[in-house]
Amino acid sequence: KAGVTQTPRYLIKTRGQQVTLSCSPISGHRSVSWYQQTPGQGLQFLFEYFSETQRNKGNFPGRFSGRQFSNSRSEMNVSTLELGDSALYLCASSLDGTSGGAGFFGPGTRLTVL
Amino acid sequence: QQQVKQSPQSLIVQKGGIPIINCAYENTAFDYFPWYQQFPGKGPALLIAIRPDVSEKKEGRFTISFNKSAKQFSLHIMDSQPGDSATYFCAAAGRAQKLVFGQGTRLTINP
Repeated sequence: KAGVTQTPRYLIKTRGQQVTLSCSPISGHRSVSWYQQTPGQGLQFLFEYFSETQRNKGNFPGRFSGRQFSNSRSEMNVSTLELGDSALYLCASSLDGTSGGAGFFGPGTRLTVL
Repeated sequence: QQQVKQSPQSLIVQKGGIPIINCAYENTAFDYFPWYQQFPGKGPALLIAIRPDVSEKKEGRFTISFNKSAKQFSLHIMDSQPGDSATYFCAAAGRAQKLVFGQGTRLTINP
């Protein structure tokens, strides 16, 4: 079974731009969670989607948004990028989001904001 | 109350030694405590997890010890190997709550 895939793996943007990251969960998994990982703040929960509905949201500004499609693939969008948005963005999938939801992580998308 | 405090930040152990990483939490609603292992360039991988109805769980060389009254849990790695060198994260979650992660421990196992 293929693991969680994330595209692109690396991205460089400038302040003020917007970015869209994609996540394909493990086949059959309906829950997708997104996390931001930085050296200073560690792993922080962004949001979780289950069956195309946002079920949980972390403490991030409205510039961070996401969605999930009927095939469970998910995208997250960050608008008006700031330098502090530079981070590794991780997607995790699980069957139904129980037990914290972060069953299997993808390799992440490394976003650098210049 | 949502925090999970992890220590130490970094740890160096000789091959064959038993590194121990500790975590503490405040939220008594947490009922799932996993540990993740992360290698450079990779996403975290679930290593082992425990629920508060047991005090210890072993999977291979990895053991979680759980102290519900102290609200603490720890990871022990038996017969550690250089390949175990990675960053380890503890985490906690409750019903309908998402995972809250510790700050991570960078573990180095010297040959």
